[in-house]
Order: sequence, then C-alpha cells, then structure tokens
Amino acid sequence: SQTIHQWPATLVQPVGSPLSLECTVEGTSNPNLYWYRQAAGRGLQLLFYSVGIGQISSEVPQNLSASRPQDRQFILSSKKLLLSDSGFYLCAWSVGLAGGLGYFGPGTRLTVT
Amino acid sequence: DAKTTQPPSMDCAEGRAANLPCNHSTISGNEYVYWYRQIHSQGPQYIIHGLKNNETNEMASLIITEDRKSSTLILPHATLRDTAVYYCIVPTDSWGKLQFGAGTQVVVTP
Repeated sequence: SQTIHQWPATLVQPVGSPLSLECTVEGTSNPNLYWYRQAAGRGLQLLFYSVGIGQISSEVPQNLSASRPQDRQFILSSKKLLLSDSGFYLCAWSVGLAGGLGYFGPGTRLTVT
Repeated sequence: DAKTTQPPSMDCAEGRAANLPCNHSTISGNEYVYWYRQIHSQGPQYIIHGLKNNETNEMASLIITEDRKSSTLILPHATLRDTAVYYCIVPTDSWGKLQFGAGTQVVVTP
C-alpha cells in the first residue's frame, strides 16, 4: 500500500533562518506531488506541484521554493524564513484524476519566531 | 477548478444520516467530483469521488444528480468522530491539483 512520510512533525525556527521540509512517498511510481500550506484558522493553499523529477510549478509567489530530486521525494525550502511562513505544511500525492486521489501526509507544523 | 458552493456549516445528531450538499453547476462532462474532510489539526482525508454514477464505500455515499450540477455526500450514521470540515472539489487540471475552498463545517452532537 502507498504511504507518505513527512518530517519533521513540528519545527520552531527564527526569522531569517533557512528551512528544509522533506516528503517521501512509498508504494507508487511517478506520482504527482504537491505542497500545501494552511495558516492558522485559514484554508488550504496549494503552493507547488510536480508531475515529474525536476518539474516544479509554483502556484503563488512566495518566499519558498520546491525541488524534486527523486521520483518519490519532494522538498520544500526557504533561504530566509519570514513570520508569515508559519503554518501547517502538507505534502500530498496523486496519480491522476480518474484513480488519482489526493492522499496527504501527516504534515509539519512550522512556527517562525 | 470548476467552482463549487457548499453551506458554511451544518449540525447533525449522532447516529443520524448527514447529507452534505454541493453545487457545481459549471462542471463539464469529464470532470470528477471529489470529497475530502479535515479533522482539526490533521491533514485532509480522502472520502470518495465520482463522475456520473452514484458511489458508495465504507465511509460514505456520493449521490450525483443526473445533470451533474450538484452532488450530496451522505454519512449514513454520523459519529462524533465525523466532526470535521468537508470539502467538495472538482479538479479541472489534468494533473489532479486540488483547490480547497472554505468547505462545510460539520458538527456532530450527542
């Protein structure tokens, strides 16, 4: 069965520090991968999606970047965190629309202080 | 994504069926309807999806109208653990991007 991992589960970082969140998927090949963010009390916002290694699309301009070095690995990064980067970061995968169901990881709760 | 409209909130008594409506009047013929829910402080959970026919799984049933302009998610016997925000989504992108709206906050009461 498919499994999606995210780490760390929680993170507290000072403003201006770098960020690296990792997501890996097991049990599937060539998944579409997604990064979402949910600010406190707000809805889910799609940040990035990837349909293959090295292929990244950004949905909103921001202080973050994403990379996909391997088929089942998706990384979210920042060189310098802002207070507004605080939130709940979720990685998800799908394999298309007909059978493609957005399965979400457990999330990383980031607090920028 | 095709626009979806859901009521902002609804209450349901424990043990009763919860019927969650969703309007998607601009849906086109090959677009699926997906339902997810998000329990507080957790990531969204897939519930069910459908194209034209009604669908049922261990979690819920999905009833899609013949014109496909609306659908209803049915939780047959709501429990307290079903308290969550429920999202109806019609992804139009072939990559399966999911754009989440505000959803319906469902509160199941004893």
